[in-house]
Amino acid sequence: QSALTQPASVSGSPGQSITISCTGTTSNVGNYNLVSWYQQYPGKAPKLVISEVTKRPSEVSNRFSGSKSANTASLTISGLQAEDEADYYCCSYAGFSAGVFGTGTRVTVL
Amino acid sequence: QVQLVQSGAEVKKPGASVKVSCEVSGYRFTDYYIHWLRQAPGQALESMGWINPNNGHTYYGQKFRDRVTMTRVTSISTVYMEMTRLTSDDTALYYCARDGASVAILSLHYAMDVWGQGTTVTVSS
Repeated sequence: QSALTQPASVSGSPGQSITISCTGTTSNVGNYNLVSWYQQYPGKAPKLVISEVTKRPSEVSNRFSGSKSANTASLTISGLQAEDEADYYCCSYAGFSAGVFGTGTRVTVL
Repeated sequence: QVQLVQSGAEVKKPGASVKVSCEVSGYRFTDYYIHWLRQAPGQALESMGWINPNNGHTYYGQKFRDRVTMTRVTSISTVYMEMTRLTSDDTALYYCARDGASVAILSLHYAMDVWGQGTTVTVSS
Protein backbone atom coordinates (compact mmCIF):
# COMPACT_ATOMS: atom_id res chain seq x y z
CA GLN A 1 0.00 0.00 0.00
CA SER A 2 1.34 3.43 -0.92
CA ALA A 3 1.00 6.15 1.71
CA LEU A 4 -1.94 8.51 1.48
CA THR A 5 -0.95 11.93 0.15
CA GLN A 6 -1.09 14.98 2.43
CA PRO A 7 0.35 18.47 1.92
CA ALA A 8 3.68 18.81 3.71
CA SER A 9 2.61 21.99 5.44
CA VAL A 10 -0.39 24.20 6.02
CA SER A 11 -0.40 27.50 7.85
CA GLY A 12 -2.92 30.01 9.08
CA SER A 13 -3.37 32.95 11.41
CA PRO A 14 -5.11 32.67 14.77
CA GLY A 15 -8.86 32.58 14.34
CA GLN A 16 -8.74 31.42 10.74
CA SER A 17 -9.85 28.05 9.40
CA ILE A 18 -7.53 25.62 7.66
CA THR A 19 -8.18 22.37 5.83
CA ILE A 20 -5.77 19.45 5.45
CA SER A 21 -6.42 17.05 2.58
CA CYS A 22 -5.68 13.33 2.52
CA THR A 23 -5.81 11.76 -0.93
CA GLY A 24 -5.98 8.03 -1.47
CA THR A 25 -7.56 5.68 -3.98
CA THR A 26 -10.64 3.56 -4.47
CA SER A 27 -8.78 0.83 -2.57
CA ASN A 28 -8.75 2.78 0.67
CA VAL A 29 -10.25 6.26 1.31
CA GLY A 30 -12.74 6.02 -1.54
CA ASN A 31 -14.13 2.64 -0.55
CA TYR A 32 -14.43 2.80 3.24
CA ASN A 33 -15.77 5.31 5.75
CA LEU A 34 -12.93 4.36 8.07
CA VAL A 35 -10.68 7.42 7.89
CA SER A 36 -9.14 8.69 11.12
CA TRP A 37 -7.01 11.72 11.93
CA TYR A 38 -4.27 12.15 14.54
CA GLN A 39 -2.57 15.15 16.10
CA GLN A 40 1.06 14.71 17.17
CA TYR A 41 3.22 17.15 19.12
CA PRO A 42 7.02 16.77 18.88
CA GLY A 43 8.26 13.94 21.05
CA LYS A 44 4.73 12.83 21.97
CA ALA A 45 2.47 9.96 20.98
CA PRO A 46 -0.28 10.73 18.47
CA LYS A 47 -3.78 11.62 19.67
CA LEU A 48 -6.97 10.63 17.88
CA VAL A 49 -9.01 13.69 16.84
CA ILE A 50 -11.41 12.22 14.24
CA SER A 51 -12.57 8.64 13.57
CA GLU A 52 -14.81 7.12 10.90
CA VAL A 53 -14.46 10.24 8.71
CA THR A 54 -16.56 12.57 10.89
CA LYS A 55 -16.74 11.29 14.48
CA ARG A 56 -15.05 13.43 17.11
CA PRO A 57 -14.09 11.95 20.50
CA SER A 58 -15.79 13.77 23.36
CA GLU A 59 -12.53 15.18 24.69
CA VAL A 60 -11.58 16.77 21.36
CA SER A 61 -12.49 20.39 20.64
CA ASN A 62 -15.45 20.94 18.33
CA ARG A 63 -13.16 23.15 16.25
CA PHE A 64 -11.99 19.90 14.61
CA SER A 65 -14.19 18.37 11.92
CA GLY A 66 -13.78 15.76 9.22
CA SER A 67 -15.30 15.07 5.83
CA LYS A 68 -14.77 12.98 2.73
CA SER A 69 -15.45 13.29 -0.99
CA ALA A 70 -14.57 10.46 -3.35
CA ASN A 71 -10.93 9.50 -2.72
CA THR A 72 -10.06 12.54 -0.60
CA ALA A 73 -10.69 13.02 3.10
CA SER A 74 -10.25 16.36 4.83
CA LEU A 75 -9.64 17.67 8.33
CA THR A 76 -10.77 21.22 9.06
CA ILE A 77 -9.58 23.18 12.06
CA SER A 78 -11.68 26.28 12.66
CA GLY A 79 -10.81 29.17 14.94
CA LEU A 80 -7.13 28.25 14.71
CA GLN A 81 -5.24 28.53 18.00
CA ALA A 82 -1.56 28.43 18.89
CA GLU A 83 -2.05 25.04 20.56
CA ASP A 84 -3.12 23.56 17.19
CA GLU A 85 0.44 23.85 15.91
CA ALA A 86 1.45 20.20 15.46
CA ASP A 87 1.79 17.40 12.92
CA TYR A 88 -1.39 15.79 11.62
CA TYR A 89 -1.75 12.33 10.07
CA CYS A 90 -4.66 10.66 8.34
CA CYS A 91 -5.18 6.91 8.29
CA SER A 92 -7.55 4.74 6.28
CA TYR A 93 -8.63 1.14 6.30
CA ALA A 94 -7.41 -0.39 3.04
CA GLY A 95 -9.20 -3.71 2.92
CA PHE A 96 -8.01 -7.24 3.73
CA SER A 97 -7.24 -6.18 7.33
CA ALA A 98 -4.67 -3.58 6.23
CA GLY A 99 -4.39 0.09 7.07
CA VAL A 100 -2.40 2.92 5.57
CA PHE A 101 -1.27 6.28 6.96
CA GLY A 102 -0.80 9.60 5.25
CA THR A 103 2.49 11.36 4.67
CA GLY A 104 1.79 13.88 7.41
CA THR A 105 1.14 17.64 7.50
CA ARG A 106 2.88 20.23 9.67
CA VAL A 107 0.42 22.90 10.79
CA THR A 108 1.93 26.27 11.60
CA VAL A 109 0.06 29.06 13.36
CA LEU A 110 1.42 32.36 12.08
CA GLN B 1 -7.61 4.94 33.73
CA VAL B 2 -7.04 3.26 30.38
CA GLN B 3 -3.31 2.91 29.77
CA LEU B 4 -0.86 1.15 27.50
CA VAL B 5 2.63 1.03 29.01
CA GLN B 6 5.52 -0.07 26.83
CA SER B 7 8.91 -1.48 27.69
CA GLY B 8 12.04 0.63 27.66
CA ALA B 9 14.43 1.71 24.95
CA GLU B 10 16.53 -0.89 23.15
CA VAL B 11 19.88 -0.71 21.35
CA LYS B 12 20.63 -3.61 19.02
CA LYS B 13 23.29 -4.66 16.55
CA PRO B 14 22.37 -5.30 12.90
CA GLY B 15 21.06 -8.83 12.46
CA ALA B 16 19.79 -9.07 16.04
CA SER B 17 16.19 -9.36 17.24
CA VAL B 18 14.14 -7.14 19.53
CA LYS B 19 11.00 -7.81 21.57
CA VAL B 20 8.86 -4.90 22.77
CA SER B 21 6.08 -5.31 25.30
CA CYS B 22 2.85 -3.36 25.81
CA GLU B 23 0.98 -3.81 29.09
CA VAL B 24 -2.71 -2.91 29.10
CA SER B 25 -4.69 -1.62 32.08
CA GLY B 26 -8.01 0.09 32.77
CA TYR B 27 -10.19 -2.09 30.53
CA ARG B 28 -10.72 -5.76 29.73
CA PHE B 29 -7.65 -6.88 27.83
CA THR B 30 -9.52 -9.22 25.49
CA ASP B 31 -12.08 -6.64 24.32
CA TYR B 32 -10.04 -4.53 21.85
CA TYR B 33 -7.55 -5.09 19.07
CA ILE B 34 -4.00 -3.79 19.58
CA HIS B 35 -2.04 -2.25 16.70
CA TRP B 36 1.71 -1.93 16.40
CA LEU B 37 3.05 1.09 14.52
CA ARG B 38 6.41 2.72 14.06
CA GLN B 39 7.81 6.12 13.22
CA ALA B 40 11.34 6.56 11.93
CA PRO B 41 13.09 9.82 12.87
CA GLY B 42 11.40 12.72 11.07
CA GLN B 43 9.13 10.35 9.16
CA ALA B 44 5.45 9.49 9.02
CA LEU B 45 3.63 6.85 11.04
CA GLU B 46 3.64 3.35 9.57
CA SER B 47 1.23 0.53 10.38
CA MET B 48 2.96 -2.79 11.10
CA GLY B 49 -0.01 -4.98 11.95
CA TRP B 50 -2.34 -5.93 14.76
CA ILE B 51 -3.31 -8.66 17.19
CA ASN B 52 -6.69 -9.73 18.54
CA PRO B 53 -5.96 -10.31 22.24
CA ASN B 54 -9.08 -12.45 22.57
CA ASN B 55 -7.94 -15.26 20.28
CA GLY B 56 -4.36 -14.36 19.32
CA HIS B 57 -5.24 -13.86 15.66
CA THR B 58 -2.77 -11.55 13.93
CA TYR B 59 -2.32 -9.55 10.77
CA TYR B 60 1.06 -8.36 9.53
CA GLY B 61 1.61 -5.74 6.87
CA GLN B 62 3.31 -7.09 3.77
CA LYS B 63 6.54 -5.25 4.55
CA PHE B 64 6.82 -6.95 7.95
CA ARG B 65 5.30 -10.33 7.26
CA ASP B 66 8.52 -12.34 7.32
CA ARG B 67 10.22 -10.58 10.27
CA VAL B 68 7.56 -9.66 12.81
CA THR B 69 5.64 -11.77 15.31
CA MET B 70 2.94 -10.42 17.61
CA THR B 71 1.85 -12.43 20.62
CA ARG B 72 -0.06 -11.93 23.83
CA VAL B 73 -0.11 -13.29 27.39
CA THR B 74 -3.64 -12.89 28.65
CA SER B 75 -2.84 -13.56 32.32
CA ILE B 76 -0.71 -10.41 32.50
CA SER B 77 -2.66 -8.30 29.95
CA THR B 78 0.42 -7.86 27.80
CA VAL B 79 1.05 -7.97 24.06
CA TYR B 80 4.47 -8.35 22.47
CA MET B 81 6.01 -7.42 19.14
CA GLU B 82 9.18 -9.21 18.12
CA MET B 83 11.20 -8.22 15.06
CA THR B 84 14.11 -10.25 13.72
CA ARG B 85 17.03 -9.54 11.35
CA LEU B 86 17.21 -5.88 12.33
CA THR B 87 18.88 -3.32 10.06
CA SER B 88 19.57 0.38 10.50
CA ASP B 89 16.32 1.05 8.62
CA ASP B 90 14.47 -0.36 11.63
CA THR B 91 15.70 2.45 13.89
CA ALA B 92 12.44 4.06 14.97
CA LEU B 93 9.97 4.80 17.73
CA TYR B 94 7.61 1.83 18.08
CA TYR B 95 4.09 2.32 19.40
CA CYS B 96 1.30 0.02 20.48
CA ALA B 97 -2.20 1.48 20.21
CA ARG B 98 -5.73 0.28 20.92
CA ASP B 99 -8.27 0.14 18.12
CA GLY B 100 -11.52 1.85 19.17
CA ALA B 101 -13.59 -1.00 17.75
CA SER B 102 -14.42 -3.93 20.01
CA VAL B 103 -13.35 -7.39 18.87
CA ALA B 104 -17.03 -8.32 19.17
CA ILE B 105 -17.85 -6.51 15.91
CA LEU B 106 -15.27 -8.64 14.08
CA SER B 107 -13.68 -5.78 12.13
CA LEU B 108 -11.21 -3.06 13.00
CA HIS B 109 -11.86 0.62 12.52
CA TYR B 110 -8.23 1.68 12.29
CA ALA B 111 -9.09 4.42 14.79
CA MET B 112 -6.43 4.19 17.49
CA ASP B 113 -7.91 5.83 20.58
CA VAL B 114 -5.30 4.96 23.22
CA TRP B 115 -1.54 4.91 22.60
CA GLY B 116 1.47 3.65 24.47
CA GLN B 117 4.28 6.07 25.25
CA GLY B 118 6.51 4.60 22.54
CA THR B 119 9.68 2.51 22.65
CA THR B 120 12.83 3.69 20.90
CA VAL B 121 14.68 0.95 19.05
CA THR B 122 18.12 1.90 17.80
CA VAL B 123 19.99 -0.42 15.45
CA SER B 124 23.66 0.40 15.21
CA SER B 125 26.92 -1.42 14.87
